[in-house]
Amino acid sequence: QKEVEQDPGPLSVPEGAIVSLNCTYSNSAFQYFMWYRQYSRKGPELLMYTYSSGNKEDGRFTAQVDKSSKYISLFIRDSQPSDSATYLCAMSDLTQGGSEKLVFGKGTKLTVNP
Amino acid sequence: DSGVTQTPKHLITATGQRVTLRCSPRSGDLSVYWYQQSLDQGLQFLIHYYNGEERAKGNILERFSAQQFPDLHSELNLSSLELGDSALYFCASSAQGTPGNTIYFGEGSWLTVV
Repeated sequence: QKEVEQDPGPLSVPEGAIVSLNCTYSNSAFQYFMWYRQYSRKGPELLMYTYSSGNKEDGRFTAQVDKSSKYISLFIRDSQPSDSATYLCAMSDLTQGGSEKLVFGKGTKLTVNP
Repeated sequence: DSGVTQTPKHLITATGQRVTLRCSPRSGDLSVYWYQQSLDQGLQFLIHYYNGEERAKGNILERFSAQQFPDLHSELNLSSLELGDSALYFCASSAQGTPGNTIYFGEGSWLTVV
């Protein structure tokens, strides 16, 4: 079983739709949860950063973490064509040396159609 | 622009050759990470350096090595290249390298081995 599972999509929605992206994970040691957005041939860009369980909202984006179910979600409200990108979930724990190591899902490719 | 600079952006080389990828972290960041992104494996953690010292190793092949110099820039050396090494190599940096510090990714170096 992979540490982080993410549906690769692709996901195609009309402009203005609510988008739901999610990941499941197996490692209960993960405590920090992130969503990155990656445009084609660009570096990942941090969207949301959450520690432990709960919700976090930033504009049109809401991140949810349910550690009991080992499940995280990203919701995008009023989706825009500019949101078209690949969305990567990432999780981290500390390595033995105290270093943060990110474990990524494979990413979900989202297209928002005007 | 994340502030992380990677060179070269693209390179094509033959099997068996050696290449060096270079990374300049964001100003003030002490931690440098290297990640490999391929279609089948997604984003994989390779190695982490903090202030010149190796902090953690991921699934980095023995043919690959890295270092961080006193001016904090880093180099990833890939030798005896194989076709399967073709991938996008990302450098990332953060202030401290511990959870809670945002990790910023560069634009990547696209390596094609022919």
